[in-house]
Amino acid sequence: DAGVTQSPTHLIKTRGQQVTLRCSPKSGHDTVSWYQQALGQGPQFIFQYYEEEERQRGNFPDRFSGHQFPNYSSELNVNALLLGDSALYLCASSIETPYEQYFGPGTRLTVT
Amino acid sequence: LAKTTQPISMDSYEGQEVNITCSHNNIATNDYITWYQQFPSQGPRFIIQGYKTKVTNEVASLFIPADRKSSTLSLPRVSLSDTAVYYCLVTKASGSARQLTFGSGTQLTVLP
Repeated sequence: DAGVTQSPTHLIKTRGQQVTLRCSPKSGHDTVSWYQQALGQGPQFIFQYYEEEERQRGNFPDRFSGHQFPNYSSELNVNALLLGDSALYLCASSIETPYEQYFGPGTRLTVT
Repeated sequence: LAKTTQPISMDSYEGQEVNITCSHNNIATNDYITWYQQFPSQGPRFIIQGYKTKVTNEVASLFIPADRKSSTLSLPRVSLSDTAVYYCLVTKASGSARQLTFGSGTQLTVLP
């Protein structure tokens, strides 16, 4: 049973560009959450998708957007990249009961 | 959600028992305490969750006093591979969109 998978593993972008990160949830999971983790910090919640809709959002600007597909996979899009967007982006999947979030290995984004 | 406070770092030696204490003074009645472990460049991994008294699984034990204002994660006989960051979180057990709020965690270093 594959766990949560994310692609790509690493990504280097230039300031001002746009990026799309992808996540496939653990089999049987229908909810996907995205987190941003800066170096030396704990993960920070970006948003959560359930039934193809954004269900809750953290304190992130509108440059961060997402999408969930009918197969429950998800994308995170970041527009107009800033140097401060450099971080590890984590995807986590879950179901309602029992509630436990399973994290993927993350995508390391570097903005130069 | 209640704010959590835990030590920034701890050192231990192989074979010792490690106890990491977390304070969460403003924990609400329906909140749970959850611990995650994170290795470098990997996503966090669920370790244990509890509401009160003691919970034990194959990896760790979680001790929660009656007032629930603190909790202690106990790792028996640690090995070098237990070197990681450990996060204490206060989580909702019910309701939709249960985002996880991470602090900075405790860096545990196990020495030979």
